[in-house]
Amino acid sequence: QKEVEQDPGPLSVPEGAIVSLNCTYSNSAFQYFMWYRQYSRKGPELLMYTYSSGNKEDGRFTAQVDKSSKYISLFIRDSQPSDSATYLCAMSLNLYNQGGKLIFGQGTELSVKP
Amino acid sequence: EAQVTQNPRYLITVTGKKLTVTCSQNMNHEYMSWYRQDPGLGLRQIYYSMNVEVTDKGDVPEGYKVSRKEKRNFPLILESPSPNQTSLYFCASRRTGAGNTIYFGEGSWLTVV
Repeated sequence: QKEVEQDPGPLSVPEGAIVSLNCTYSNSAFQYFMWYRQYSRKGPELLMYTYSSGNKEDGRFTAQVDKSSKYISLFIRDSQPSDSATYLCAMSLNLYNQGGKLIFGQGTELSVKP
Repeated sequence: EAQVTQNPRYLITVTGKKLTVTCSQNMNHEYMSWYRQDPGLGLRQIYYSMNVEVTDKGDVPEGYKVSRKEKRNFPLILESPSPNQTSLYFCASRRTGAGNTIYFGEGSWLTVV
């Protein structure tokens, strides 16, 4: 069983839809949770960063962490064609274990249709 | 502009021919690392460095070497590349004390034939 599970999709939605992306994980010791966006042939770009539990909002993006369920989510409101990309969840134990190594999900490919 | 720069971006090489992928960051970050990205396996850490002259293995270090002689540079060396090292490679960096906000380079597509 992988430490971090993420449905690879692809997920296709119409422009303006609310998108929900999710990851589950098995290691309850994870403390840092991140969402990255990766466009084709580009490096992952940090979108959202959360320490421990709770919600975080940044513009059209909301990240949620539910440590009791070992489940994290990213919501995209009013989705745009420019949001079409692969979304990667990532998490780490701390800043010291292998330098704060990130454990990534496989990524969900999202397509927003005009 | 703050960035992590990798070179080359694309490379096709032959088995056994030594190659180096360079990585440079202009943010004065202490921490740097290399990841590889493979279909179905996601991104996995190869090596990391907490500061100059301090390097250590990640999860998939076999067949790779690194060095950290200067703070800004962290080259990845493949002494004798093999086809199973065909992958997309990313260099990343982070400032110590900045949580775990890791920034990635644009990636280097490496094909070993």
